[in-house]
Amino acid sequence: KAGVTQTPRYLIKTRGQQVTLSCSPISGHRSVSWYQQTPGQGLQFLFEYFSETQRNKGNFPGRFSGRQFSNSRSEMNVSTLELGDSALYLCASSLDMGDRLHGYTFGSGTRLTVV
Amino acid sequence: DQQVKQNSPSLSVQEGRISILNCDYTNSMFDYFLWYKKYPAEGPTFLISISSIKDKNEDGRFTVFLNKSAKHLSLHIVPSQPGDSAVYFCAATPYSGGGADGLTFGKGTHLIIQP
Repeated sequence: KAGVTQTPRYLIKTRGQQVTLSCSPISGHRSVSWYQQTPGQGLQFLFEYFSETQRNKGNFPGRFSGRQFSNSRSEMNVSTLELGDSALYLCASSLDMGDRLHGYTFGSGTRLTVV
Repeated sequence: DQQVKQNSPSLSVQEGRISILNCDYTNSMFDYFLWYKKYPAEGPTFLISISSIKDKNEDGRFTVFLNKSAKHLSLHIVPSQPGDSAVYFCAATPYSGGGADGLTFGKGTHLIIQP
């Protein structure tokens, strides 16, 4: 069974540009969450999508957005990139929304560097 | 304000001995607690979880203990093996009925198993 696939693995962008990251969940998983990992702040929740709807959002500015498609694949977008957006962006999928006890399966992440 | 704290950035344990990783939380609304393990260049891998109605959950070599009154949980690994060397994250989330709340993570503890 294929895991959570994130593309691309690495990305370098310039300040002010925008970026789109992609996540394909495990087949059959309907919920997709996004997290940002930085050395200073650690792992922080961005948002969770279920049935193509954003169900919850973390404490991030509106420059961070996402969407989910009918096949459960998800994309997140960051506009007007800042140096502080350099991070590892992790996608996690679960069978159902808020499936806490069985955990979430994470992808390997997209390493974004903003220069 | 960190709601989930892992006060030991690193821990060194001899192979075959018990590893004990600790985690403290401040938000009394947290109802579910999870432990994840992370190797470099990979996403976190779910290990074990516990809900607030329990005080212990076991899965093979891994046991999680929850002390709600102290807002403290710990992960015990017995016996420790070289492959256990990784960064361990404690995470928590509240129950919100049909809603979805993201995981709040600690900053992690780097466990090193010495041969």
